[in-house]
This record gives sequence, C-alpha cells and structure tokens, in this order.
Amino acid sequence: ILNVEQSPQSLHVQEGDSTNFTCSFPSSNFYALHWYRWETAKSPEALFVMTLNGDEKKKGQISATLNTKEGYSYLYIKGSQPEDSATYLCAFIRSSGGGADGLTFGKGTHLIIQP
Amino acid sequence: DAGITQSPRHKVTETGTPVTLRCHQTENHRYMYWYRQDPGHGLRLIHYSYGVKDTDKGEVSDGYSVSRSKTEDFLLTLESATSSQTSVYFCAISESKVGQGNTDTQYFGPGTRLTVL
Repeated sequence: ILNVEQSPQSLHVQEGDSTNFTCSFPSSNFYALHWYRWETAKSPEALFVMTLNGDEKKKGQISATLNTKEGYSYLYIKGSQPEDSATYLCAFIRSSGGGADGLTFGKGTHLIIQP
Repeated sequence: DAGITQSPRHKVTETGTPVTLRCHQTENHRYMYWYRQDPGHGLRLIHYSYGVKDTDKGEVSDGYSVSRSKTEDFLLTLESATSSQTSVYFCAISESKVGQGNTDTQYFGPGTRLTVL
C-alpha cells in the first residue's frame, strides 16, 4: 500500500489571504501526480496533472509545484475566495513495468474560507 | 462536464441483500473505475475495467464484483451487502489507462450513497 499523505487535514483561512498545503508521496518510481478539487455534494474535478520534476502548473489563482526527488507537491491559492472552499485531493501514480499503476489518493485537505 | 451518470443516487438496503450500482458514460472512454469514499480513508479503488469484459481488482475488492458488457456501462455488485459496505460510491472514467495515454485525468460521476442496515 502506497503512503500518500496530505497536510494539514483541515485549514481555515480568511477571505483574501493566501494559503498552501502539501502532498507527500514516495520519491521512488514516480510517474505522475494529480490534484483534484472536491466541493461538498459534488464529485471531484481535476485541477492539474503533473509529471516532471520542477513542474509548475497554474489555473486562475491556484498553482502547484512538484518535487519528485524529495516526494512532495505544494498547492497554492492566492487571494482565497469563499468559492475556493473545498477538499483538495492529491493522487499519486507509481511507475511499474512498462506503464503505471492506478491512482492512490491522499485523504485530502479540507479548506474553509471565512468571509 | 464529462457525461457520466450513476444510478441509483441513493439506496437503503438490508444486510444480506444483493445490490447493483450502475455507471453509464457517453464519452466512449475505454477505462472505467469504481471507488468508495469513507471518512478517514479518502477514495479507495474497488475494481476497474480496461475494456468490454476486461476487469481487474483494486485495493478493496473483497465483497464486490463488476461486469462490463458494453463500453458505456460498468456495473458494481454487492452479492450480499454488509454494514461495512455503507459508503459513497464513485464511478470514474478516463480516456486511457493511467500512465499510458495523452491524458490520464479521471472524470468522476456524481456518486451513489448506499446505506446497509
């Protein structure tokens, strides 16, 4: 069983503040890392697919970085808005044989933006 | 939004009864997945399918079976439901198998909330 850890488990942030949280994963046999955003009563939606060490992805005010050598990814939200409130999931994909295994999800960071 | 529907959306059943959940897609994606989501565990893979009649087990497959007789439908069956199978079940699809295509993003259905009494 792969160990994919997300921290913190939950986070309360004031509207307008910036925040970041972490996904840690095994540093060996890396294939890819996904970030998903999961709003209450909805289904997870893909944010980023990251495959290369040093990758930086951006979507609006949300960005992510990747360090495969040390096994972590950061997700940043700049100028948080109430609509950013959601659980943010990362999912690790391990390289195996000629391809890759399936996704192993972390338990998520539950972000609450307070007006 | 990807065309994925799940039925039923909610179900309450009794221990020992069989239950079948359906996932239907209109995207013609090859790969389909069933996950369960439980507090403290996140999303865990139950079974997945990589084509019609081609399926494989995931992390938590005990007590579940699946079938895929058509590209668009992936069925999850609990042969004899137990209270430990009370959960929210998500179906997902991807255009190609994770790690073997141009895009590995998974698109999720709306979920089915199953309660086993």
